[in-house]
Amino acid sequence: EADIYQTPRYLVIGTGKKITLECSQTMGHDKMYWYQQDPGMELHLIHYSYGVNSTEKGDLSSESTVSRIRTEHFPLTLESARPSHTSQYLCASNSGRMDNEQFFGPGTRLTVL
Amino acid sequence: AQSVSQHNHHVILSEAASLELGCNYSYGGTVNLFWYVQYPGQHLQLLLKYFSGDPLVKGIKGFEAEFIKSKFSFNLRKPSVQWSDTAEYFCAVNSRSGSARQLTFGSGTQLTVLP
Repeated sequence: EADIYQTPRYLVIGTGKKITLECSQTMGHDKMYWYQQDPGMELHLIHYSYGVNSTEKGDLSSESTVSRIRTEHFPLTLESARPSHTSQYLCASNSGRMDNEQFFGPGTRLTVL
Repeated sequence: AQSVSQHNHHVILSEAASLELGCNYSYGGTVNLFWYVQYPGQHLQLLLKYFSGDPLVKGIKGFEAEFIKSKFSFNLRKPSVQWSDTAEYFCAVNSRSGSARQLTFGSGTQLTVLP
Protein backbone atom coordinates (compact mmCIF):
# COMPACT_ATOMS: atom_id res chain seq x y z
CA GLU A 1 0.00 0.00 0.00
CA ALA A 2 1.23 3.47 -0.89
CA ASP A 3 2.47 5.61 1.98
CA ILE A 4 0.91 8.91 1.10
CA TYR A 5 -1.25 10.75 3.55
CA GLN A 6 -3.63 13.65 3.40
CA THR A 7 -5.23 15.58 6.21
CA PRO A 8 -7.90 16.47 6.88
CA ARG A 9 -10.04 13.93 5.05
CA TYR A 10 -13.07 16.18 5.27
CA LEU A 11 -13.31 19.90 5.89
CA VAL A 12 -16.31 22.19 6.06
CA ILE A 13 -15.39 25.84 6.41
CA GLY A 14 -16.86 29.29 6.00
CA THR A 15 -16.13 31.75 3.22
CA GLY A 16 -13.03 33.87 3.70
CA LYS A 17 -11.12 31.45 5.90
CA LYS A 18 -7.54 30.50 5.20
CA ILE A 19 -6.98 26.76 4.94
CA THR A 20 -4.05 24.45 4.36
CA LEU A 21 -4.46 20.92 3.06
CA GLU A 22 -1.63 18.67 4.12
CA CYS A 23 0.02 15.99 2.03
CA SER A 24 2.95 13.83 3.07
CA GLN A 25 4.64 10.80 1.57
CA THR A 26 7.24 8.51 3.09
CA MET A 27 8.47 6.94 -0.13
CA GLY A 28 11.17 9.50 -0.85
CA HIS A 29 9.52 10.51 -4.10
CA ASP A 30 10.79 13.67 -5.74
CA LYS A 31 7.64 14.36 -7.75
CA MET A 32 4.41 15.37 -6.10
CA TYR A 33 1.10 16.56 -7.51
CA TRP A 34 -2.20 18.12 -6.50
CA TYR A 35 -5.34 17.31 -8.44
CA GLN A 36 -8.83 18.73 -8.13
CA GLN A 37 -11.76 16.44 -8.80
CA ASP A 38 -15.42 17.39 -8.93
CA PRO A 39 -18.02 14.60 -8.72
CA GLY A 40 -18.29 12.67 -11.97
CA MET A 41 -15.50 14.66 -13.54
CA GLU A 42 -11.93 13.99 -14.47
CA LEU A 43 -9.00 14.81 -12.27
CA HIS A 44 -7.44 18.15 -13.12
CA LEU A 45 -3.82 18.87 -12.26
CA ILE A 46 -3.56 22.15 -10.36
CA HIS A 47 0.02 22.05 -9.00
CA TYR A 48 3.10 19.90 -9.23
CA SER A 49 6.60 19.78 -7.87
CA TYR A 50 9.70 18.01 -9.11
CA GLY A 51 11.64 18.46 -5.92
CA VAL A 52 12.41 20.72 -3.01
CA ASN A 53 11.87 24.42 -3.83
CA SER A 54 10.33 23.48 -7.19
CA THR A 55 6.63 24.18 -7.79
CA GLU A 56 4.66 24.71 -10.97
CA LYS A 57 1.06 25.40 -11.85
CA GLY A 58 -0.84 22.67 -13.62
CA ASP A 59 -3.34 22.65 -16.43
CA LEU A 60 -6.26 23.95 -14.39
CA SER A 61 -6.01 27.45 -13.02
CA SER A 62 -6.33 27.53 -9.27
CA GLU A 63 -6.30 30.24 -6.65
CA SER A 64 -4.43 27.94 -4.32
CA THR A 65 -0.69 28.00 -3.68
CA VAL A 66 1.75 25.26 -2.74
CA SER A 67 5.16 24.96 -1.20
CA ARG A 68 7.83 22.27 -1.16
CA ILE A 69 10.30 22.90 1.59
CA ARG A 70 10.86 19.23 2.36
CA THR A 71 10.80 16.27 0.00
CA GLU A 72 8.07 14.48 1.91
CA HIS A 73 5.72 17.40 2.39
CA PHE A 74 3.62 19.29 -0.20
CA PRO A 75 0.93 21.42 1.45
CA LEU A 76 -1.72 23.33 -0.49
CA THR A 77 -3.06 26.64 0.82
CA LEU A 78 -6.14 28.69 0.05
CA GLU A 79 -5.74 32.20 1.47
CA SER A 80 -9.46 32.98 1.34
CA ALA A 81 -11.79 30.08 0.73
CA ARG A 82 -14.89 30.56 -1.44
CA PRO A 83 -17.82 28.27 -2.29
CA SER A 84 -16.31 27.79 -5.76
CA HIS A 85 -13.40 25.99 -4.06
CA THR A 86 -15.71 23.22 -2.91
CA SER A 87 -14.24 20.05 -4.42
CA GLN A 88 -12.13 17.01 -3.69
CA TYR A 89 -8.38 17.55 -3.64
CA LEU A 90 -6.11 14.60 -4.34
CA CYS A 91 -2.39 14.50 -3.67
CA ALA A 92 -0.11 12.12 -5.54
CA SER A 93 3.57 11.32 -5.83
CA ASN A 94 5.86 9.26 -7.98
CA SER A 95 9.49 8.34 -8.20
CA GLY A 96 10.07 9.87 -11.60
CA ARG A 97 10.86 6.57 -13.27
CA MET A 98 10.03 6.31 -16.95
CA ASP A 99 6.82 4.38 -16.40
CA ASN A 100 5.68 7.11 -14.09
CA GLU A 101 3.07 5.37 -11.95
CA GLN A 102 1.55 7.84 -9.49
CA PHE A 103 0.48 6.89 -6.00
CA PHE A 104 -2.53 8.72 -4.62
CA GLY A 105 -3.53 9.84 -1.18
CA PRO A 106 -7.08 9.37 0.12
CA GLY A 107 -8.10 12.91 -0.77
CA THR A 108 -9.55 15.86 1.12
CA ARG A 109 -13.17 16.67 0.52
CA LEU A 110 -13.54 20.41 1.00
CA THR A 111 -16.85 22.19 1.39
CA VAL A 112 -16.90 25.97 1.63
CA LEU A 113 -20.14 27.45 2.87
CA ALA B 1 -2.32 19.29 -25.29
CA GLN B 2 -3.29 15.72 -24.79
CA SER B 3 -6.79 14.68 -23.80
CA VAL B 4 -8.40 11.44 -22.70
CA SER B 5 -11.97 10.40 -23.46
CA GLN B 6 -13.96 7.82 -21.59
CA HIS B 7 -17.24 7.49 -23.39
CA ASN B 8 -19.15 5.50 -20.80
CA HIS B 9 -19.99 7.58 -17.76
CA HIS B 10 -21.93 4.88 -15.98
CA VAL B 11 -22.07 1.18 -16.72
CA ILE B 12 -24.37 -1.25 -14.93
CA LEU B 13 -23.80 -4.99 -15.29
CA SER B 14 -24.90 -8.17 -13.64
CA GLU B 15 -22.35 -10.45 -12.05
CA ALA B 16 -20.54 -12.72 -14.54
CA ALA B 17 -21.17 -10.33 -17.42
CA SER B 18 -18.23 -9.29 -19.53
CA LEU B 19 -16.90 -5.77 -19.28
CA GLU B 20 -15.26 -3.42 -21.72
CA LEU B 21 -14.64 0.22 -20.88
CA GLY B 22 -13.50 2.50 -23.66
CA CYS B 23 -10.60 4.91 -23.49
CA ASN B 24 -9.25 7.05 -26.30
CA TYR B 25 -6.48 9.61 -26.10
CA SER B 26 -5.45 12.39 -28.39
CA TYR B 27 -1.67 12.59 -28.10
CA GLY B 28 0.21 11.41 -31.18
CA GLY B 29 3.61 10.79 -29.65
CA THR B 30 4.95 8.03 -27.44
CA VAL B 31 2.81 7.55 -24.39
CA ASN B 32 2.43 5.61 -21.19
CA LEU B 33 -1.12 4.46 -20.49
CA PHE B 34 -2.78 3.64 -17.21
CA TRP B 35 -6.02 2.48 -15.74
CA TYR B 36 -6.71 3.48 -12.16
CA VAL B 37 -9.57 2.25 -10.00
CA GLN B 38 -11.21 3.90 -7.03
CA TYR B 39 -13.30 1.63 -4.83
CA PRO B 40 -15.86 3.35 -2.63
CA GLY B 41 -14.13 5.20 0.17
CA GLN B 42 -10.65 4.17 -0.93
CA HIS B 43 -7.63 5.70 -2.63
CA LEU B 44 -7.13 5.74 -6.35
CA GLN B 45 -4.99 2.72 -7.10
CA LEU B 46 -3.26 1.44 -10.18
CA LEU B 47 -5.05 -1.35 -12.02
CA LEU B 48 -2.61 -1.79 -14.88
CA LYS B 49 -0.26 0.13 -17.12
CA TYR B 50 1.25 0.00 -20.56
CA PHE B 51 4.74 1.23 -21.08
CA SER B 52 6.14 -0.76 -23.98
CA GLY B 53 6.20 -4.26 -25.44
CA ASP B 54 3.15 -6.53 -25.60
CA PRO B 55 0.13 -4.30 -26.25
CA LEU B 56 -2.09 -6.65 -24.25
CA VAL B 57 -1.51 -5.81 -20.63
CA LYS B 58 -2.71 -7.87 -17.71
CA GLY B 59 -3.42 -6.21 -14.40
CA ILE B 60 -4.72 -7.09 -10.99
CA LYS B 61 -8.03 -8.83 -10.28
CA GLY B 62 -8.37 -10.34 -13.74
CA PHE B 63 -8.42 -7.05 -15.64
CA GLU B 64 -6.61 -6.56 -18.91
CA ALA B 65 -6.28 -3.77 -21.44
CA GLU B 66 -5.22 -3.64 -25.04
CA PHE B 67 -3.23 -0.77 -26.50
CA ILE B 68 -4.17 -0.20 -30.14
CA LYS B 69 -1.88 2.52 -31.40
CA SER B 70 -3.69 3.03 -34.70
CA LYS B 71 -6.92 3.72 -32.87
CA PHE B 72 -5.37 5.72 -30.01
CA SER B 73 -7.24 3.40 -27.68
CA PHE B 74 -6.56 1.56 -24.44
CA ASN B 75 -9.79 -0.25 -23.58
CA LEU B 76 -10.17 -2.06 -20.29
CA ARG B 77 -11.68 -5.55 -20.24
CA LYS B 78 -12.69 -8.25 -17.83
CA PRO B 79 -14.38 -11.45 -18.98
CA SER B 80 -16.55 -11.91 -15.89
CA VAL B 81 -17.21 -9.12 -13.42
CA GLN B 82 -17.93 -9.52 -9.73
CA TRP B 83 -19.94 -7.42 -7.33
CA SER B 84 -16.65 -6.33 -5.75
CA ASP B 85 -15.63 -4.67 -9.04
CA THR B 86 -18.12 -1.90 -8.35
CA ALA B 87 -15.93 1.21 -8.46
CA GLU B 88 -14.97 4.17 -10.56
CA TYR B 89 -12.41 3.55 -13.28
CA PHE B 90 -10.12 6.21 -14.70
CA CYS B 91 -8.00 6.00 -17.80
CA ALA B 92 -4.87 8.17 -17.82
CA VAL B 93 -2.09 8.96 -20.24
CA ASN B 94 1.19 10.78 -20.09
CA SER B 95 3.54 11.66 -22.85
CA ARG B 96 7.17 10.72 -22.65
CA SER B 97 8.35 13.89 -24.28
CA GLY B 98 9.21 17.03 -22.46
CA SER B 99 9.96 17.48 -18.83
CA ALA B 100 6.42 17.62 -17.56
CA ARG B 101 5.34 13.97 -17.82
CA GLN B 102 2.06 14.85 -16.23
CA LEU B 103 -0.81 12.45 -16.16
CA THR B 104 -3.96 13.45 -18.01
CA PHE B 105 -7.07 11.67 -16.78
CA GLY B 106 -10.34 10.83 -18.40
CA SER B 107 -13.59 11.76 -16.70
CA GLY B 108 -14.03 8.31 -15.25
CA THR B 109 -16.55 5.51 -15.63
CA GLN B 110 -18.68 4.45 -12.72
CA LEU B 111 -19.18 0.68 -12.84
CA THR B 112 -22.01 -0.83 -10.83
CA VAL B 113 -22.18 -4.61 -10.69
CA LEU B 114 -25.49 -6.02 -9.52
CA PRO B 115 -25.35 -9.19 -7.43
